[in-house]
Amino acid sequence: GDSVTQMEGPVTLSEEAFLTINCTYTATGYPSLFWYVQYPGEGLQLLLKATKADDKGSNKGFEATYRKETTSFHLEKGSVQVSDSAVYFCALSSSYKLIFGSGTRLLVRP
Amino acid sequence: DVKVTQSSRYLVKRTGEKVFLECVQDMDHENMFWYRQDPGLGLRLIYFSYDVKMKEKGDIPEGYSVSREKKERFSLILESASTNQTSMYLCASSSVVGTGRSRTYEQYFGPGTRLTVT
Repeated sequence: GDSVTQMEGPVTLSEEAFLTINCTYTATGYPSLFWYVQYPGEGLQLLLKATKADDKGSNKGFEATYRKETTSFHLEKGSVQVSDSAVYFCALSSSYKLIFGSGTRLLVRP
Repeated sequence: DVKVTQSSRYLVKRTGEKVFLECVQDMDHENMFWYRQDPGLGLRLIYFSYDVKMKEKGDIPEGYSVSREKKERFSLILESASTNQTSMYLCASSSVVGTGRSRTYEQYFGPGTRLTVT
């Protein structure tokens, strides 16, 4: 069945460092891909999405490119801030259901 | 903005109690979902509903039931709470966005209910 694998955390960075969180997927057909973010004590928020191969999703300085050839959707940000500390979930959708990765906790130190 | 609200942020119940978790969305979405979130396991789908009075089991439905009598409201019921149901419960709703190859479903989440069963 469809599945999502993302790198285990926590990922600990200093402020202004470059961020990459890896995400790969297994799916039949042509899924949409998403990154969600969960700040402490809150629900999940949609961060960005891509609906077809080579699409780049971007929001709040975060980017991810849908790579069909490597079945990947890695999350990147050029310069992280303390306020980016959260748990990040990669997810795919081929219908109205979402399949999530296990989440990666990001800690950004001042 | 889409708003999904959940009836409680924190809940403490005793083993064997019947527990109701309520979720309301204000965007007329057809689809609604209940997940539980546990450390190291990510989000797991318990039940979802694609229309009023319609429901379908997710990956871990055992010990749970749901009710959707109105489009905006989706309830999760623990018939007899047990300690292994201590968890964070997240509700979501979704609708289709885009057209053609860009057509997809976006899910919007409530703030979650942290349930502790003692």
